[in-house]
Amino acid sequence: QAVLTQPPSMSGAPGQRVTISCTGGRSNIGEGFDVHWYQQLPGTVPKVVIYGNKNRPSGVPDRFSGSKSDSSASLAITGLQTEDEGYYYCQSYDSRLRAYVFGGGTEVTVL
Amino acid sequence: EVQLMESGGDLIHPGGSLRLSCVVSGFPFNNHWMSWVRQSPGKGLEWVAKINEDGSEITYVESVRDRFTISRDNLQKSVFLQLTSLRVEDTAVYHCARLVGPEGSTVALFDSWGQGTLVTVSS
Repeated sequence: QAVLTQPPSMSGAPGQRVTISCTGGRSNIGEGFDVHWYQQLPGTVPKVVIYGNKNRPSGVPDRFSGSKSDSSASLAITGLQTEDEGYYYCQSYDSRLRAYVFGGGTEVTVL
Repeated sequence: EVQLMESGGDLIHPGGSLRLSCVVSGFPFNNHWMSWVRQSPGKGLEWVAKINEDGSEITYVESVRDRFTISRDNLQKSVFLQLTSLRVEDTAVYHCARLVGPEGSTVALFDSWGQGTLVTVSS
C-alpha cells in the first residue's frame, strides 16, 4: 500500500477539468516536504509535469497546475485532451521512513 | 540527449541473485546522484536505492536493505544494483533514474529514466 494516497481513477470529457488529490501524513507532506507530479503515458517512462508543488518544467502545457495545503497536494488538468490519458503519480519524501515515497497512481481517462 | 539503458533482468527463483546494470550518456555522470526505482502492477512506483556522486553515500528503502546493493563506476558511466535473497514481491520492472534537487525545492526528484529491465521472481 502506497504511503501517499491517490484515487485509482478519474475521467472527464475533452475540455473538462480533472483534479487529482494526493494525501499524505505528518512525516511527509504534512512535515513540509514538497510534492512532485509525474505523468506516465502508455508505453513510456514517467515524466515530471509539476515539481516543487506548483512549478511547471519547460515544455509542459500550462493546462497542468499544482497546489499543496497541509498534508495534501493536488494536480489539476484543465482543458482535458486525449493525449493526457495515462497514469499520474505524486512523489515526496518521508522523514520517518527516510525514503522517497510515491502515490499509488491515478489513471486518467478522457471520455 | 540524456540516455539511460538498463540490462540484466531475468526470470529467477526465490532466494536467487541477480545483478542489474545501467549505462548512461548525454550528461556528466560523475556530477549526479543516481537511483533505482521499481514498478510493478500491484504496487506502482517504489523507490529502491540511491547513491551519491562518488559512491560514499548510499540509502535503501527498508524492504530491500541488507538484500540489495547499489554501486557505481564513474569511468564506465554505469550504476549497478546487486539483488540477493530475491522474493516473489521483488518482481518488477527496475528503472535507473537520475536524481536531482530542483532549485527551491525541499525534495529531490527523478528527472530522467531508463526504459527499465524486468525482474521476475517465481518458482
